[in-house]
Amino acid sequence: RKEVEQDPGPFNVPEGATVAFNCTYSNSASQSFFWYRQDCRKEPKLLMSVYSSGNEDGRFTAQLNRASQYISLLIRDSKLSDSATYLCVVKFTGGFKTIFGAGTRLFVKA
Amino acid sequence: DTEVTQTPKHLVMGMTNKKSLKCEQHMGHRAMYWYKQKAKKPPELMFVYSYEKLSINESVPSRFSPECPNSSLLNLHLHALQPEDSALYLCASSQVIAAGADTQYFGPGTRLTVL
Repeated sequence: RKEVEQDPGPFNVPEGATVAFNCTYSNSASQSFFWYRQDCRKEPKLLMSVYSSGNEDGRFTAQLNRASQYISLLIRDSKLSDSATYLCVVKFTGGFKTIFGAGTRLFVKA
Repeated sequence: DTEVTQTPKHLVMGMTNKKSLKCEQHMGHRAMYWYKQKAKKPPELMFVYSYEKLSINESVPSRFSPECPNSSLLNLHLHALQPEDSALYLCASSQVIAAGADTQYFGPGTRLTVL
């Protein structure tokens, strides 16, 4: 079993749609959680950190469920510019070890 | 200024060549990372330096040799690479906080092709 697993995608949605991505992790020593987005042939860019209480940044909402070991990302009112690969990232307690999920590809259509 | 720079942007090398990738950041971060990313795959951690000391080596072959000459610079020396080493090599940096490491900021990467 992979340490970090994501919905395989791709997700094809119309503009204005709401879309949700899930990510599960297997190691309970996991400490910090992030969502990054990566555009084609570009570097990953931080979208948002994920906190236990849940957090929101504009149209984006992230949730963490430590008991069930999953995190989620909700995108409301999708824009064409949201088309990208969304990467779930997990870091482990006390160190720098970082694991990326395989990524979920999102296509937003006009 | 959250900027990590990497040079060169593209590199083509033969299997007998020796080359180096360079990464620089001026955000005062004390952790720096090398990742390898193959097409349609996520980044895979290779090395981590913390306070200029090697903290993680993810069983990377010795033909990849990292170096951290100071707190702002990170190099990756390449020698006798194989065609399967062709990939995007990403550098990242982060703060070091009490419980581990903070958010990582990535450079644009070096696209390496090994012939």
